[in-house]
Amino acid sequence: AQRVTQPEKLLSVFKGAPVELKCNYSYSGSPELFWYVQYSRQRLQLLLRHISRESIKGFTADLNKGETSFHLKKPFAQEEDSAMYYCALRLPGTGGYNKLIFGAGTRLAVHP
Amino acid sequence: ETGVTQSPTHLIKTRGQQVTLRCSSQSGHNTVSWYQQALGQGPQFIFQYYREEENGRGNFPPRFSGLQFPNYSSELNVNALELDDSALYLCASSLATTEAFFGQGTRLTVV
Repeated sequence: AQRVTQPEKLLSVFKGAPVELKCNYSYSGSPELFWYVQYSRQRLQLLLRHISRESIKGFTADLNKGETSFHLKKPFAQEEDSAMYYCALRLPGTGGYNKLIFGAGTRLAVHP
Repeated sequence: ETGVTQSPTHLIKTRGQQVTLRCSSQSGHNTVSWYQQALGQGPQFIFQYYREEENGRGNFPPRFSGLQFPNYSSELNVNALELDDSALYLCASSLATTEAFFGQGTRLTVV
């Protein structure tokens, strides 16, 4: 069965420290993975996707098929990074099929 | 370009009642998905509509049903409400399999 696991409910760091939010997935096919972020009192929004291999707000994530992981990293955390982060796996399909499987989320708290 | 809007933002229902939640898709989007997010959990896929047809369903009972209208807005209906249905319900719209944009959600409390 397809599953996304985020082992940490809370990650607490100081400003300027490196951050790594862990995500592991279980899927037999070719995965398509995303990181979504939810800032306080805002809606869920896409942060980045593995296909584009981009860096958004200093965050990067590399897909490691051998370890079935898609960890989110940032070398120097900022206070404005404090938010809820969700890793998501998209299942393939036709005709507009766009099902996302989410992990339980990790709350990142960056302290001054 | 307007975003995804959901109504109402909050509501309280009694166990056994029925509820209808509404979602207005982002302009130009023809796919709408509904998710249930229980407290402390990630969103869980309920079902999806593409061009007014249901084309995917998660592990939810038939008392969860939906509609998509010609203007691509959508409704989620839940019959015979149970206490465990208390959650945040999220709607997401997309153009086929492009990025999904989420609404602010409807917080449903069943008492």
